[in-house]
Amino acid sequence: EVQLVESGGGLVQPGGSLRLSCAASGFTFSSYEMNWVRQAPGKGLEWVSYISSSGSTIYYADSVKGRFTISRDNAKNSLYLQMNSLRAEDTAVYYCARDSCSGGSCYLPYYYYYMDVWGKGTTVTVSS
Amino acid sequence: QSVLTQPPSVSGAPGQRVTISCTGSSSNIGAGYDVHWYQQLPGTAPKLLIYGNSNRPSGVPDRFSGSKSGTSASLAITGLQAEDEADYYCQSYDSSLSRRVFGGGTKLTVL
Repeated sequence: EVQLVESGGGLVQPGGSLRLSCAASGFTFSSYEMNWVRQAPGKGLEWVSYISSSGSTIYYADSVKGRFTISRDNAKNSLYLQMNSLRAEDTAVYYCARDSCSGGSCYLPYYYYYMDVWGKGTTVTVSS
Repeated sequence: QSVLTQPPSVSGAPGQRVTISCTGSSSNIGAGYDVHWYQQLPGTAPKLLIYGNSNRPSGVPDRFSGSKSGTSASLAITGLQAEDEADYYCQSYDSSLSRRVFGGGTKLTVL
């Protein structure tokens, strides 16, 4: 069964740090681009970060650039999000999501891809 | 304010047809970037519903369909069922922002 399982969330004070993990199983993790997407309480979805299958290409939303670092370990089938200088507005459920493509879209840039597998999410609360 | 605009809510009776619009601009949908739709049932993670504007992943009923025209996209749900009650999000890419963007989400209520 294709599965993504996030962990590492919790309560942290403003200015603190947290490292999220996402364990992948049921598919060849090293062949897929991955993302982090978050959802603040009662709000919509916000794309946070992207990493290519090899880890060589990375993108961030402006809201987290310079504070968050995405990485992966293909040998461990794991995706990570290191979050530093956390703010109250970073409070959210964080989902890892697999990128996929089909047919001709696989020859196009990553932003034509879609997120076809999602984890159940891990909750991050930033509060004093 | 989301880059992609969706109605906050829509409703319909069982068996009816509803549509959810997703309005963008010339830097996202109008630029030719694909639109994808996700369904989020209460208390659960999002699930891919439509990809590449109009394609259904295996397992998604053909009651769900997507379309795109100009700077807008639409999700149509026919034969509405109680289990369809959920939040629906459209997603695309915006070249001005250089990032993926989501609509604000639409809450579907089955009356």
